[in-house]
Amino acid sequence: NAGVTQTPKFQVLKTGQSMTLQCAQDMNHNSMYWYRQDPGMGLRLIYYSASEGTTDKGEVPNGYNVSRLNKREFSLRLESAAPSQTSVYFCASMNTEAFFGQGTRLTVV
Amino acid sequence: QKEVEQDPGPLSVPEGAIVSLNCTYSNSAFQYFMWYRQYSRKGPELLMYTYSSGNKEDGRFTAQVDKSSKYISLFIRDSQPSDSATYLCAMSGDTGRRALTFGSGTRLQVQP
Repeated sequence: NAGVTQTPKFQVLKTGQSMTLQCAQDMNHNSMYWYRQDPGMGLRLIYYSASEGTTDKGEVPNGYNVSRLNKREFSLRLESAAPSQTSVYFCASMNTEAFFGQGTRLTVV
Repeated sequence: QKEVEQDPGPLSVPEGAIVSLNCTYSNSAFQYFMWYRQYSRKGPELLMYTYSSGNKEDGRFTAQVDKSSKYISLFIRDSQPSDSATYLCAMSGDTGRRALTFGSGTRLQVQP
């Protein structure tokens, strides 16, 4: 039982490049989330998906898109990376409590 | 003003001390309250989960929720060096998307 699995763990992008962060959960949860974590800011919600086929914006959605591919998988895409998107990204799935992946450390230069 | 306020610390205590961590919040719709522990370069892991007001105890950890004051606490008894981490409070409402709103985290160091 792996819980929530994120790939990749680390990534360096040049400004303007695109990439997709992958997330998969094996807990059969309906709800999945993408957060970013910056020093002194805690975790801020980017996008969430309450169920397969639905997505909605969170607190900081600009510059991101998401896809809920199926119940297990929820991906986050950066179409044109900017230095302000340098952060640690966490995927979570939730029933009554949220369980987190180990994070993707992204640097945009 | 943030919806959830948490003192960032760092908080440094000797081994064996009782640690008190706190958060205040402004949204009266919050019903679910959680504490997460996050080690450096790791994802947050759930420590305690409480619904509505009251106390909950699990081993050395006790979570308290006072909804009338919009104040939650986490107590750690007999603190250990392995408790050194960042502690994040999180909460969510009873309806809608149920996404968690986090405090900014308190960094705790337990000195041996």
